[in-house]
Amino acid sequence: QKEVEQDPGPLSVPEGAIVSLNCTYSNSAFQYFMWYRQYSRKGPELLMYTYSSGNKEDGRFTAQVDKSSKYISLFIRDSQPSDSATYLCAMRLRGYALNFGKGTSLLVTP
Amino acid sequence: DSGVTQTPKHLITATGQRVTLRCSPRSGDLSVYWYQQSLDQGLQFLIQYYNGEERAKGNILERFSAQQFPDLHSELNLSSLELGDSALYFCASSVSGQGLSSTDTQYFGPGTRLTVL
Repeated sequence: QKEVEQDPGPLSVPEGAIVSLNCTYSNSAFQYFMWYRQYSRKGPELLMYTYSSGNKEDGRFTAQVDKSSKYISLFIRDSQPSDSATYLCAMRLRGYALNFGKGTSLLVTP
Repeated sequence: DSGVTQTPKHLITATGQRVTLRCSPRSGDLSVYWYQQSLDQGLQFLIQYYNGEERAKGNILERFSAQQFPDLHSELNLSSLELGDSALYFCASSVSGQGLSSTDTQYFGPGTRLTVL
C-alpha cells in the first residue's frame, strides 16, 4: 500500500463549479502537507502549504488537513478553464523529501 | 518560472547507454532533490543532496547515481539504461532541506524527458 493515496480521476466539471480534491495517507508522522499543480509537460508548482491540522485559504483555493482522519483536501471555488491540470498532493516529515500522491487530472470545461 | 533550470529538455537514447541530467538550483538554495515521474508510479523521490553531501536516499536504483558540485549544481547519472527508465526526471531545490524551517518549500524545474529505445 502506498503511503499517499489519491484518486487519479479524470474529474470533469463545468466552469464556475466548486472542485474538491482529496488524498488519504497512512503515515501519521507526516507534518507538512502541500498541493502542487502540474500542467502538461511542465514541472509541479506549489499551490498551497499547510502545517499540521486546520484550514488555509488563498484566493479561490482552500486547503484542509484532518490529521485524525489522515485526510487532506483542496477546494477550488469558481473554477476556470485555466485550472485544468493535474493536482498532486504531497506530504513530508520534518527535513525529509516529499511523498506524492499519483495526482488527480482536472478538466474545467467552458 | 521557478528559478530551477534543467538540461536537456529531451533525451532519446538506446538501451544499455549512459546519460547525465543536469540541474541548477534557485539562487540561494542549498538542497537539491531528484524525482522520477512515470505514468504508473507517479512522482517518486530518488535522492537529495545538501551543500554537496548526500542527505537522503529514496527509491534510487544502483545503476543511478548523483552528485552536487561546489557551485551547487547537481547531476544525475543513469547507466545501463532499460526501457523502463523512460520517464520524466525532475529536479527540485529548497533553501535548506534540513527541516530547520516549516516553510522549506521545494521548487521544481521543468524536467528532462528521457526516452529509452
